[in-house]
Amino acid sequence: SQKIEQNSEALNIQEGKTATLTCNYTNYSPAYLQWYRQDPGRGPVFLLLIRENEKEKRKERLKVTFDTTLKQSLFHITASQPADSATYLCALRGSWGKLQFGAGTQVVVTP
Amino acid sequence: GAVVSQHPSWVICKSGTSVKIECRSLDFQATTMFWYRQFPKQSLMLMATSNEGSKATYEQGVEKDKFLINHASLTLSTLTVTSAHPEDSSFYICSASRGGGQDEQYFGPGTRLTVT
Repeated sequence: SQKIEQNSEALNIQEGKTATLTCNYTNYSPAYLQWYRQDPGRGPVFLLLIRENEKEKRKERLKVTFDTTLKQSLFHITASQPADSATYLCALRGSWGKLQFGAGTQVVVTP
Repeated sequence: GAVVSQHPSWVICKSGTSVKIECRSLDFQATTMFWYRQFPKQSLMLMATSNEGSKATYEQGVEKDKFLINHASLTLSTLTVTSAHPEDSSFYICSASRGGGQDEQYFGPGTRLTVT
């Protein structure tokens, strides 16, 4: 069955450091992968989309890599700030074209 | 642009009553809208997909007679939870897509439903 795995343990990081999150998937052949941010009690907010033929994508302090051989995406937040504290979700388009989400990894940035 | 709103943001209802949740795309036309539910510490689970003017397509295990979805216009979709029970208490989130090959989904802020 198709599965998306994200680290369920919260990532605690000091302000200014780089946070790195992992998204592993099985039984997908995705054309692209998406990352979202979700704050408590709020809907997800789209951050980045990376296509299968792109190794890396950047947006301001965010960087995403996509390794279709390893079936893995890494999401980096550089120079992290307390305002970056949230849960980050990866999402893939699965069978029948439906967008499917991982459970997310919570990031806590302390001053 | 691409703002999606939901109303209400939270609702408490008694067991056996019905609750309607609205999802609106404020500044674009949404060919397709999606309804998700999310339990604490869990991922979003797709409940159904609706295209304007068509019947919604429900995911396996989602009761279509319990979760009524209407997508009457390109900017409005509604989800009605009929005869709600405490186990229906959850966070319901809608999203909207412009369609036409544009796959990005824009999410609403969610509605917290508590059934007592």
